Amino acid sequence: AQSVTQLGSHVSVSEGALVLLRCNYSSSVPPYLFWYVQYPNQGLQLLLKYTSAATLVKGINGFEAEFKKSETSFHLTKPSAHMSDAAEYFCAVTNLQGAQKLVFGQGTRLTINP
Amino acid sequence: EAGVAQSPRYKIIEKRQSVAFWCNPISGHATLYWYQQILGQGPKLLIQFQNNGVVDDSQLPKDRFSAERLKGVDSTLKIQPAKLEDSAVYLCASSLIWGAFFGQGTRLTVV
Repeated sequence: AQSVTQLGSHVSVSEGALVLLRCNYSSSVPPYLFWYVQYPNQGLQLLLKYTSAATLVKGINGFEAEFKKSETSFHLTKPSAHMSDAAEYFCAVTNLQGAQKLVFGQGTRLTINP
Repeated sequence: EAGVAQSPRYKIIEKRQSVAFWCNPISGHATLYWYQQILGQGPKLLIQFQNNGVVDDSQLPKDRFSAERLKGVDSTLKIQPAKLEDSAVYLCASSLIWGAFFGQGTRLTVV
């Protein structure tokens, strides 16, 4: 069974500061990993994905994530936070075996302070 | 490319009433998901279709929830009868290979 744990339900950073949102996964087979962003009253938008190619993945809006198999992690970072980054962020895992379920973490709410 | 369409956007019903949600996935996407997202939580998979067949419905409360995907395209999710704890956003998503593209969701309030 697959699972995702997001450390920290709420992260607050100042505008211009580094954003770090943590995600650890559990999977018995090679995983595919995703970060989604959700703005209020909206659906989920794909930020970036890891599909077993490069371990450092770049996404939209200046975000990137690094897959570290030894640490079973896929943390999301952005060098300089912008007010528009305030949203809920979800990490998700799937694989190419069986039903290919897409399993989400509990989410991290990112607040940006001016 | 059109995205995933869902309707209605909002629905308020009384407990014990029934309700239905509709989803039109991205054209050509074989996989369709229905998720339930309770306020403050991550999306929980209710049911997953591959074309018009169910591949996972292990977390679908089958005594009150049902879903179908006719002809492998559109899908409907029904709740009958609704309970207060069903208040949530119901998200539909579709996928071609991996990952998923989401609709705007339907916010259900049961009073």
